[in-house]
Amino acid sequence: QKEVEQNSGPLSVPEGAIASLNCTYSDRGSQSFFWYRQYSGKSPELIMFIYSNGDKEDGRFTAQLNKASQYVSLLIRDSQPSDSATYLCAVGGAGGGNKLTFGTGTQLKVEL
Amino acid sequence: GAVVSQHPSWVICKSGTSVKIECRSLDFQATTMFWYRQFPKQSLMLMATSNEGSKATYEQGVEKDKFLINHASLTLSTLTVTSAHPEDSSFYICGGGLGTDTQYFGPGTRLTVL
Repeated sequence: QKEVEQNSGPLSVPEGAIASLNCTYSDRGSQSFFWYRQYSGKSPELIMFIYSNGDKEDGRFTAQLNKASQYVSLLIRDSQPSDSATYLCAVGGAGGGNKLTFGTGTQLKVEL
Repeated sequence: GAVVSQHPSWVICKSGTSVKIECRSLDFQATTMFWYRQFPKQSLMLMATSNEGSKATYEQGVEKDKFLINHASLTLSTLTVTSAHPEDSSFYICGGGLGTDTQYFGPGTRLTVL
């Protein structure tokens, strides 16, 4: 069974710090990796996707992928209170076709 | 990013009635639509995958006769919860597939069954 694991948190970081969110996955054939942000009571919003090993940066967000170790992470620089949300890691399978497996999410709290 | 709309955003109904939720991809054609359900404090649970013009593929444990999915066009998919009961109360979210794997979600529909 394909699994995506995340620490549920909450992860608390002070405003302005770097928040580091981690995710591991079990299917070694996974090809695509996504980070979604979900505010309470709202649907998930796509933040970033990454397909290749290494880092991918977009503004304050950096996604990191290590397929050999089967983990993907999300770094948020200069964390703001508005970043407080649950972050969902999602993994696409080897066959593509858009089907994703989601982790249970990590709750991030950015404190003033 | 791609925009997906859902209607209604919330609905309250009596037990035994049916509820239809619409999902539209507004600025792209979604060859595949995904329907999820999310209970409080839990992650998204995939219910079914539908391709335009084809029957939906349901996940294990999801009753296809209870959750009717129609994907009539590349921009519209509907989920009908038939004979709803209080245990069906949940947050229903649709996702439109774009490209190889990317999914963009609608704003969700909160269903409360009395």
